Amino acid sequence: NAGVTQTPKFQVLKTGQSMTLQCAQDMNHNSMYWYRQDPGMGLRLIYYSASEGTTDKGEVPNGYNVSRLNKREFSLRLESAAPSQTSVYFCASSRPRGVTEAFFGQGTRLTVV
Amino acid sequence: SQQGEEDPQALSIQEGENATMNCSYKTSINNLQWYRQNSGRGLVHLILIRSNEREKHSGRLRVTLDTSKKSSSLLITASRAADTASYFCATLVETSGSRLTFGEGTQLTVNP
Repeated sequence: NAGVTQTPKFQVLKTGQSMTLQCAQDMNHNSMYWYRQDPGMGLRLIYYSASEGTTDKGEVPNGYNVSRLNKREFSLRLESAAPSQTSVYFCASSRPRGVTEAFFGQGTRLTVV
Repeated sequence: SQQGEEDPQALSIQEGENATMNCSYKTSINNLQWYRQNSGRGLVHLILIRSNEREKHSGRLRVTLDTSKKSSSLLITASRAADTASYFCATLVETSGSRLTFGEGTQLTVNP
């Protein structure tokens, strides 16, 4: 039982490049989330998906797009990376409406130079 | 802005002492959750308390919730060096669908 799997674990991009962060969960969860965590700070919600086929903006959505490909997978795309997007990105999943705990991936450490 | 705010931002104690961390939030919630993050790792769920509960225990953890003051506390008893980590509270807001919002965390250091 892998839980939440994120790929890649590390990535360095040049300003203006694009990339997609992948996330998959094998717990049959409806809700999935993308957060970013900057040094010494908490997690800020970028986008979330309450169920397959739906996505909603979180606190800091600018510069990002998401796709809920199916119930298992929720990807985050940076169309034109900027240095301000240097951060650690976490994907998480939970049962509907967050009534139980969220399970987190191990994170993707992204550096934009 | 963050829904939850932890206090203190950093806490340093000796092994065997108790550690108390506080969380305040702004709007009505369905539940409040506490998570732990070891350096460089993902978050791990510790305990969840629902809005109609006032206190909950899990091993050495004790969580209280005061909805009238919009605050929660996490007590770790008989701390160990292995408890060194960042601790975050997260709230599920009633009107936000399944949005789980985190505070900025408390960095706990337990000295051997």
